[in-house]
Amino acid sequence: DIVMTQSPDSLAVSLGERATINCKSSQSVLYSSNKKNYLAWYQQKPGQPPKLLIYWASIRESGVPDRFSGSGSGTDFTLTISSLQAEDVAVYHCQQYYSGPYTFGQGTKVEIK
Amino acid sequence: QVQLQESGPGLVKPSQTLSLTCTVSGGSINNGDHYWSWIRQHPVKGLEWIGYIYYSGSTSYNPSLKSRTTITIDTSKNQFSLKVDSMTAADTAVYYCARRHTNHNFFDPWGQGTLVTVSS
Repeated sequence: DIVMTQSPDSLAVSLGERATINCKSSQSVLYSSNKKNYLAWYQQKPGQPPKLLIYWASIRESGVPDRFSGSGSGTDFTLTISSLQAEDVAVYHCQQYYSGPYTFGQGTKVEIK
Repeated sequence: QVQLQESGPGLVKPSQTLSLTCTVSGGSINNGDHYWSWIRQHPVKGLEWIGYIYYSGSTSYNPSLKSRTTITIDTSKNQFSLKVDSMTAADTAVYYCARRHTNHNFFDPWGQGTLVTVSS
């Protein structure tokens, strides 16, 4: 199985400041034939299910604010919230869909400082 | 838009079988565009993909649960279901149903989830 490891486990950021979450896979999730990274990010607000934010490592789902961006390739990925808003308080999960079983990171909790 | 809703018991005794159903509204489960998935979230361990099913009945399971898990589909009711045998305390989790993307294995939308506790 591909193991997904996120860092940090939690972070506190001031409103309007940048939040950066890292996700590392135990093997590459870059498919050589199409040059796509099989990596998604989800946002899970308290008491709610996860919601898809980003797929193909950097493509925002429709309706997701552009302050959310994804980057990285191969085994190392980053989710950045450029200017943290109060409504962004949540747990963020990365997920690889390169090969089954499809696995998730342990989650990173983002709070307001 | 498509919505999913889980239903089933919140408490299961050790060694018993868990049975959950996901009802899909706002779209047909039968149109062949998507696979229909189960995912669980342990209190500490995080999210774990359980498996998914296609309208034809074709399935794929997480090997870690495959021997104890069955996913079925009832297109006439626009529902799909999960059974997990021989439940233990380690199976205590929030169970979600979710729609797999048309061509790739990420998931959206998800149901609200249902907490299943295994306890005597």
